[in-house]
Amino acid sequence: DGGITQSPKYLFRKEGQNVTLSCEQNLNHDAMYWYRQDPGQGLRLIYYSQIVNDFQKGDIAEGYSVSREKKESFPLTVTSAQKNPTAFYLCASGVGASSSYEQYFGPGTRLTVT
Amino acid sequence: AQKVTQAQTEISVVEKEDVTLDCVYETRDTTYYLFWYKQPPSGELVFLIRRNSFDEQNEISGRYSWNFQKSTSSFNFTITASQVVDSAVYFCALTNNNAGNMLTFGGGTRLMVKP
Repeated sequence: DGGITQSPKYLFRKEGQNVTLSCEQNLNHDAMYWYRQDPGQGLRLIYYSQIVNDFQKGDIAEGYSVSREKKESFPLTVTSAQKNPTAFYLCASGVGASSSYEQYFGPGTRLTVT
Repeated sequence: AQKVTQAQTEISVVEKEDVTLDCVYETRDTTYYLFWYKQPPSGELVFLIRRNSFDEQNEISGRYSWNFQKSTSSFNFTITASQVVDSAVYFCALTNNNAGNMLTFGGGTRLMVKP
């Protein structure tokens, strides 16, 4: 089945620890995105990548880091510098290289930091 | 700057009623793209429709229809004969060629369809 996988579904961490969220796609899409969703709000872009070994900051990149070593994979690290990391994180891949094309989303990872 | 407003935060209807979800957008670009996504309780967003600014034809897909009006900067979504399975949060989103690959989402409308 083609799609996007994110693991784990729920993640719990202590404050001060870095944590990496995984995102894998087998849709052969060039573009991949990470979004953050807070309760009752829309999605905000953290980082995006249009091609392997290249990525760009979104609206709220501070406290996050990414890598894109393979086309299929776009892991997101939430660092201890992120002041309010508890949120729902969604990964997406895009049909085309720009955001003007539809995106397909994974099931999300709900991160809780205490 | 671009902005998407979904003024209805929550809507509750009874099954088989028709319901319209409003979306109003702001952009200075003449070329832009509008989207609707559905977020069921499972969490992942499901793509529903993409519309570019040069295509003002309304679209119908089964029980779903979309009304794009550039004159009022609106891209409204109507569900006809709603079903319980339509219960979800619906997001309208906007991008353009100068947006730096950023999709701007509205705050979402939570639709509850009661049996």
